[in-house]
Amino acid sequence: EPEVTQTPSHQVTQMGQEVILRCVPISNHLYFYWYRQILGQKVEFLVSFYNNEISEKSEIFDDQFSVERPDGSNFTLKIRSTKLEDSAMYFCASRTQGALAKNIQYFGAGTRLSVL
Amino acid sequence: DQQVKQNSPSLSVQEGRISILNCDYTNSMFDYFLWYKKYPAEGPTFLISISSIKDKNEDGRFTVFLNKSAKHLSLHIVPSQPGDSAVYFCAASDPNAGNNRKLIWGLGTSLAVNP
Repeated sequence: EPEVTQTPSHQVTQMGQEVILRCVPISNHLYFYWYRQILGQKVEFLVSFYNNEISEKSEIFDDQFSVERPDGSNFTLKIRSTKLEDSAMYFCASRTQGALAKNIQYFGAGTRLSVL
Repeated sequence: DQQVKQNSPSLSVQEGRISILNCDYTNSMFDYFLWYKKYPAEGPTFLISISSIKDKNEDGRFTVFLNKSAKHLSLHIVPSQPGDSAVYFCAASDPNAGNNRKLIWGLGTSLAVNP
């Protein structure tokens, strides 16, 4: 069964360092998302991506964040200069256009980012 | 801004009994609702969904009920099995997000099914 894969599963970094979180969405999907969940809090939308551009971004997704789909398969989230409060579980999700009305998004296992 | 609320952080039921997980929402424009299940160290897994034009959707042991006037939905699992023990998230699809359809999430309810 096709699945969304995320690497690494755990990333430890020093405050101020750049990190890149990687995702391989399901191959025929067209909409891509990043969400995050800070420990004990709810899952929060960060950004959606369609047709090689950002469709929507939340207030959390400031200038320190960027997304890219460099080669038609990978979908990456970059945090330029990490802060302590960026520590969270980051989930990538994808959706096929055919599921528009249902909006069933399929999620990866997540990357746990720990900023020290 | 809690547009989707799951007021019970945890629920414990006996194997074979019914589990009822509740979710309330505030935005009457939400037009699609989804339940996801999450095991530790895994991502959310889609379980079942319901359109706002329906009041019930059933899939095997899982049934979701929607009461639009009360802005309330519930997930029923019957019979409950130990493997159902997980965190269950209620999510709403935001039609104002256009085709992007970001999901708005509740905090989750941790279900424990005891053998």
